[in-house]
Amino acid sequence: QKEVEQNSGPLSVPEGAIASLNCTYSDRGSQSFFWYRQYSGKSPELIMSIYSNGDKEDGRFTAQLNKASQYVSLLIRDSQPSDSATYLCAPAGNMLTFGGGTRLMVKP
Amino acid sequence: DAGITQSPRHKVTETGTPVTLRCHQTENHRYMYWYRQDPGHGLRLIHYSYGVKDTDKGEVSDGYSVSRSKTEDFLLTLESATSSQTSVYFCAISPGGSQETQYFGPGTRLLVL
Repeated sequence: QKEVEQNSGPLSVPEGAIASLNCTYSDRGSQSFFWYRQYSGKSPELIMSIYSNGDKEDGRFTAQLNKASQYVSLLIRDSQPSDSATYLCAPAGNMLTFGGGTRLMVKP
Repeated sequence: DAGITQSPRHKVTETGTPVTLRCHQTENHRYMYWYRQDPGHGLRLIHYSYGVKDTDKGEVSDGYSVSRSKTEDFLLTLESATSSQTSVYFCAISPGGSQETQYFGPGTRLLVL
């Protein structure tokens, strides 16, 4: 069983700030991770995937994977109110085990 | 959006009645999944399928059964619904493979009275 832990939040940041979301995992065999965003009342949607140690950037989003410390993070630069959602992380695999998610609130 | 639909989208039923939820995909993906999402528990896997007639249990399978007679359809049945099965149910699909992500359907809100 791949266990994944996330701080449930809410994490509140002002508009334009950097939001930092973290996820720790227990399975040292986990090689890759996905970040999903879920707006209230909607289904999760994939926003980032990271397959190797280090950083991966995509627009305002940066995913960071540190296998030695067993954590993965998502940075959102220039946060916008439209980024307010719950963010879920999951290690890749045929059976995804999701963290409980972190609720992000971006205040104008 | 990936071609995934769920029906019904909302359902209210009474304790003890059978309920069947349907997931339909047009992507021809091999893997299909059923999750439930509850406050404080996140997304939990109920059952999944890795091909026609090939299914397996997930983390919270008690009280649920599934069937997949065609690639495009995956059915979730609550044989005798209980109030603890009130939840939002999501179907997901994936091409398969350890690096492939899952794409989620719009969800079904089920209320068991």
